[in-house]
Amino acid sequence: LAKTTQPISMDSYEGQEVNITCSHNNIATNDYITWYQQFPSQGPRFIIQGYKTKVTNEVASLFIPADRKSSTLSLPRVSLSDTAVYYCLVGDNHYGQNFVFGPGTRLSVLP
Amino acid sequence: EPEVTQTPSHQVTQMGQEVILRCVPISNHLYFYWYRQILGQKVEFLVSFYNNEISEKSEIFDDQFSVERPDGSNFTLKIRSTKLEDSAMYFCASSEALISYEQYFGPGTRLTVT
Repeated sequence: LAKTTQPISMDSYEGQEVNITCSHNNIATNDYITWYQQFPSQGPRFIIQGYKTKVTNEVASLFIPADRKSSTLSLPRVSLSDTAVYYCLVGDNHYGQNFVFGPGTRLSVLP
Repeated sequence: EPEVTQTPSHQVTQMGQEVILRCVPISNHLYFYWYRQILGQKVEFLVSFYNNEISEKSEIFDDQFSVERPDGSNFTLKIRSTKLEDSAMYFCASSEALISYEQYFGPGTRLTVT
């Protein structure tokens, strides 16, 4: 089970690009990297998932280097509504037992 | 956009009582899950369910808990003999088969045990 490490908190200003990096040194060959967002008193929301290189969707980009020991979630031009906790999860997509949410990164977007 | 729904949004119960939390997963999803989040703490996996059977469960999911899919749309979590420490947000989630890490969560039920 790959353990992940993320910064506990980050601050940013509206309109800036925010990059949140997650370390997962013992990622396994079959593991995918998945990011979730959670607003207070709401359920986590799936943002993006990737295996290697770069993945982009309408919300974010996910950069994964060749060694896959880390990944970076990039949020372009954040707004106040992006203030949330962001979780990085690593696992093989088949076992819910391994779907472990860490403490996440609390992003605060300031005006 | 299809979404997972949960009822009730808030449930208050007395210690020792039984509660049933209800969820309606996204209609074409095959895997269902329950998680809980104690206030200010991490989201914790409880159980996954597929084909009318429990696929996996965590250490938290002991004999006090049970899950059921009583009909084609609902997925329920029953907590027997509730304890104060069961107070938490309970989230239901669902996913398409084979992509279990792309899960879609409901808004949660806040359970308060007094």
